[in-house]
Amino acid sequence: AAGVIQSPRHLIKEKRETATLKCYPIPRHDTVYWYQQGPGQDPQFLISFYEKMQSDKGSIPDRFSAQQFSDYHSELNMSSLELGDSALYFCASTFPGTDTQYFGPGTRLTVL
Amino acid sequence: AQTVTQSQPEMSVQEAETVTLSCTYDTSESDYYLFWYKQPPSRQMILVIRQEAYKQQNATENRFSVNFQKAAKSFSLKISDSQLGDAAMYFCACLPFGNEKLTFGTGTRLTIIP
Repeated sequence: AAGVIQSPRHLIKEKRETATLKCYPIPRHDTVYWYQQGPGQDPQFLISFYEKMQSDKGSIPDRFSAQQFSDYHSELNMSSLELGDSALYFCASTFPGTDTQYFGPGTRLTVL
Repeated sequence: AQTVTQSQPEMSVQEAETVTLSCTYDTSESDYYLFWYKQPPSRQMILVIRQEAYKQQNATENRFSVNFQKAAKSFSLKISDSQLGDAAMYFCACLPFGNEKLTFGTGTRLTIIP
């Protein structure tokens, strides 16, 4: 079965640089969620989109922005990167009218 | 707001034996969902099992089952016939109905002893 696709899988950036993470939800899923998992931490909710509109927002820094496109894929844009942004970033998606979030493999971001 | 507590940072079990991972939660919502996810060394987050709070019957998925005690706000995961592939970090999570944000516990690292 098709799963959530995230790219790139690994990303290395310098401080103050910009990064863009992409997420392709499972086909026919319409809601996308972003989570950040720091080393040894549990995943923390960042933001979600439904039908291209932001539907909920968590502890997402102002330096981060995200959007969902007409094909339902989503991009997380991160600017002025800091060392503390080094983490595993997960995207998840849900089928219309359901609640179970299916996670992608994650993008490991390392900020040097 | 929701809180999820996993009081066992690490657990180990002999292969083929049974192990139970504990989870308690707190929410002011009357309707919600509870989940167990596993995160193996690959770091992928994999859904293990899901429980709807309004259902009294405990969810079961093959070797995985839960003991859901709504009044006690407890949601433990039982793994029967443990296999080497079960070795992972297990996260308990709560999602209020109509909400978008999954709240996770801090996880329990499960080791399988051959």
